[in-house]
Amino acid sequence: DAKTTQPPSMDCAEGRAANLPCNHSTISGNEYVYWYRQIHSQGPQYIIHGLKNNETNEMASLIITEDRKSSTLILPHATLRDTAVYYCIVRSGISNFGNEKLTFGTGTRLTIIP
Amino acid sequence: DTAVSQTPKYLVTQMGNDKSIKCEQNLGHDTMYWYKQDSKKFLKIMFSYNNKELIINETVPNRFSPKSPDKAHLNLHINSLELGDSAVYFCASSHRTKAGSNYGYTFGSGTRLTVV
Repeated sequence: DAKTTQPPSMDCAEGRAANLPCNHSTISGNEYVYWYRQIHSQGPQYIIHGLKNNETNEMASLIITEDRKSSTLILPHATLRDTAVYYCIVRSGISNFGNEKLTFGTGTRLTIIP
Repeated sequence: DTAVSQTPKYLVTQMGNDKSIKCEQNLGHDTMYWYKQDSKKFLKIMFSYNNKELIINETVPNRFSPKSPDKAHLNLHINSLELGDSAVYFCASSHRTKAGSNYGYTFGSGTRLTVV
């Protein structure tokens, strides 16, 4: 799986959009970008994933550049409960019976400021 | 109706002891995992089981022995506990679905193990 690079920490004002960048310059054609977050040592929580098109769900939006070498996770209206460590993970979308491991990096610690 | 449940939530024990952590999922998933998060917050996979068969075994000391009695359960037994085993252990489960899905990957809330 391709390696990802994220800033170690970011702050965002409550109510504003939080934009979390991720670089994945070695991503290959069949690899997806996944985002997870971990709130205060709870188990990681899935947020969103995409291949090349922008994606949106009830939690966030994912913007992937045309060359797929970077992406941005957008939390449109950040709340205090969004304070967490956010992980960008690149991995194959092909399932292989039990080999769907997630390789976590160091992530971005996002702090929402009241 | 917790999806992936682990017990105990906290475990404090002395060096040299043997302990087990239990995990159960009620999602109907066919794959279960153990991840370890150390004091530096690095989260790494240890094992995965698919339909009770060991699939991933990531250079974990053989003092750690996972056991999967059925698809819904994956327990972790640790022999001769050492100080360095102190960490948070997360169980997770997933299901083989179409390519590009999230496989329903779901984590438990973790077991904080402290070896003294």
